[in-house]
Amino acid sequence: NAGVTQTPKFRILKIGQSMTLQCAQDMNHNYMYWYRQDPGMGLKLIYYSVGAGITDKGEVPNGYNVSRSTTEDFPLRLELAAPSQTSVYFCASGGTGTSNEQFFGPGTRLTVL
Amino acid sequence: QQPVQSPQAVILREGEDAVINCSSSKALYSVHWYRQKHGEAPVFLMILLKGGEQKGHDKISASFNEKKQQSSLYLTASQLSYSGTYFCGTEAYSGAGSYQLTFGKGTKLSVIP
Repeated sequence: NAGVTQTPKFRILKIGQSMTLQCAQDMNHNYMYWYRQDPGMGLKLIYYSVGAGITDKGEVPNGYNVSRSTTEDFPLRLELAAPSQTSVYFCASGGTGTSNEQFFGPGTRLTVL
Repeated sequence: QQPVQSPQAVILREGEDAVINCSSSKALYSVHWYRQKHGEAPVFLMILLKGGEQKGHDKISASFNEKKQQSSLYLTASQLSYSGTYFCGTEAYSGAGSYQLTFGKGTKLSVIP
């Protein structure tokens, strides 16, 4: 099993550009999450999904969009990149319910200039 | 609301013990603990559920005071491999039948020879 995979590992965007961060898991988990991590601030939940076709906002959803067409994939879309979106982005997946271990991907380091 | 962790940082010599605390102002359903090494993804350590059930690590222990909405992580006989940043995540009801996990800012633990 590959677990949770994320692409790309690094990316530099110009202000106003768009991009999609890819996330896939092969553990057949229903729950998937997107977090951003800024230095010294912990992990902030952007969006989460409880299954294919179902997504919901987390703590910091502004400037992002998600979709979940399959159990395996959960891409995160940035439409108009801003410097405030410079961060490390982690995708995670877990079983049924929030009270389960989350498996994190390796992260994507995004810089917006 | 983000849980509060203390201390923010601690330095230990190998073999010493440490306690990391996590407190929340919300009524909690569970508390999660993760460890993150520099440049890597967070890794699951333990979940403590309301009612006393625990899931996770054999060598690291934790407590959950449901009345005070507090949890403590106990690291005994520390090893060099324990170094990293420890995050607590508190799970609370967020409305419309769903629960959300919110992470603290982290406690940086450094173990030196």
